Amino acid sequence: GNSVTQMEGPVTLSEEAFLTINCTYTATGYPSLFWYVQYPGEGLQLLLKATKADDKGSNKGFEATYRKETTSFHLEKGSVQVSDSAVYFCALADMNRDDKIIFGKGTRLHILP
Amino acid sequence: GAGVSQSPSNKVTEKGKDVELRCDPISGHTALYWYRQSLGQGLEFLIYFQGNSAPDKSGLPSDRFSAERTGGSVSTLTIQRTQQEDSAVYLCASRRAGPVEYGYTFGSGTRLTVV
Repeated sequence: GNSVTQMEGPVTLSEEAFLTINCTYTATGYPSLFWYVQYPGEGLQLLLKATKADDKGSNKGFEATYRKETTSFHLEKGSVQVSDSAVYFCALADMNRDDKIIFGKGTRLHILP
Repeated sequence: GAGVSQSPSNKVTEKGKDVELRCDPISGHTALYWYRQSLGQGLEFLIYFQGNSAPDKSGLPSDRFSAERTGGSVSTLTIQRTQQEDSAVYLCASRRAGPVEYGYTFGSGTRLTVV
């Protein structure tokens, strides 16, 4: 079945460092891919998405490119801020299979000032 | 409403008691989902409602779990005879009509603690 694997955390970085959170997926079809973010004490929010191969999703300085050849959707940001501290979830949805989103286990990110 | 509302935000219950968790989705959103977020386990799909169709219950972990959605709006997740392993944050999400690629809007969750 479809699944998502993302790097385990926690990830601790200094402010202004470069961030990469790895995500790979397994899917039988052609899924859409997402990154959701959960800030402390808040619900999950959609951060960015890509619906087909080679698409790049971007938001708030974060980017992720849908790589079909490597089945990956790694999240990157060039210069992180303390306010980026949160839990990040990689996810996929295959509308040809069913109507639910499958999430990875989440990666906790700590940014030190 | 402006967002997905869940209540209560926190619930502490004794082992063996029944609990009801409520979700009020965004007005007009036809799809509603329940997920469970356990420490170190990510988000686990529980159940999905879409309009008047039969719900997808494939994620419910046992027959102690059930959910209903009345009038295509508010949903209640019921856990009977709670166990300590039921302790988790229960998240509700809704989505407007159209492909699932539109993404979900999540509520803030109900943190359930079974003691």
